[in-house]
Amino acid sequence: GAGVSQTPSNKVTEKGKYVELRCDPISGHTALYWYRQSLGQGPEFLIYFQGTGAADDSGLPNDRFFAVRPEGSVSTLKIQRTERGDSAVYLCASRWGSEDTQYFGPGTRLTVL
Amino acid sequence: GESVGLHLPTLSVQEGDNSIINCAYSNSASDYFIWYKQESGKGPQFIIDIRSNMDKRQGQRVTVLLNKTVKHLSLQIAATQPGDSAVYFCAENWTSGTYKYIFGTGTRLKVLA
Repeated sequence: GAGVSQTPSNKVTEKGKYVELRCDPISGHTALYWYRQSLGQGPEFLIYFQGTGAADDSGLPNDRFFAVRPEGSVSTLKIQRTERGDSAVYLCASRWGSEDTQYFGPGTRLTVL
Repeated sequence: GESVGLHLPTLSVQEGDNSIINCAYSNSASDYFIWYKQESGKGPQFIIDIRSNMDKRQGQRVTVLLNKTVKHLSLQIAATQPGDSAVYFCAENWTSGTYKYIFGTGTRLKVLA
């Protein structure tokens, strides 16, 4: 079946601009995660949703970052006033119910010039 | 935190030999651990997991060992193949029941022909 998909695969923007990154989880998966991965590092937890609500958003670095999942399926990570330090690969993962295994998408590579 | 430098530790192994990749985890309260494989340009892929009430779990060609006393996790890959070349990450469930996962230091595995 279809895995987790993320769009766009690459995004280049200028400092100060607003960007939206989209994640389509595996159908039926109730939990959805966002991570950020910088070069040479492990994924850094940002936020996870259980259904429509954010169960834990403790990883969001500041108030420029926001994520939504209005219908409990697709999620959008929104970054305002982008900074060069936001450049990274943004990974999305989804998980079903009480299962522990997360399934990752291919990521969106964000480059802020 | 769990961030690492730009240069990942690298393990070079001859094809056909066994590989052992190690991970020191952070939280003594973590009760679930996962190993992921990440190939270039892709998201992490689940390999094997283990709960804290176990000290060993075997999969197909892979074995995970857990030593809670010293907070150490290892991944053993038998008869390493060229397709095993990737970066490997361990992740821990930061707090029991929260489903929040924290990734540890990655290790790059290079399989030599």
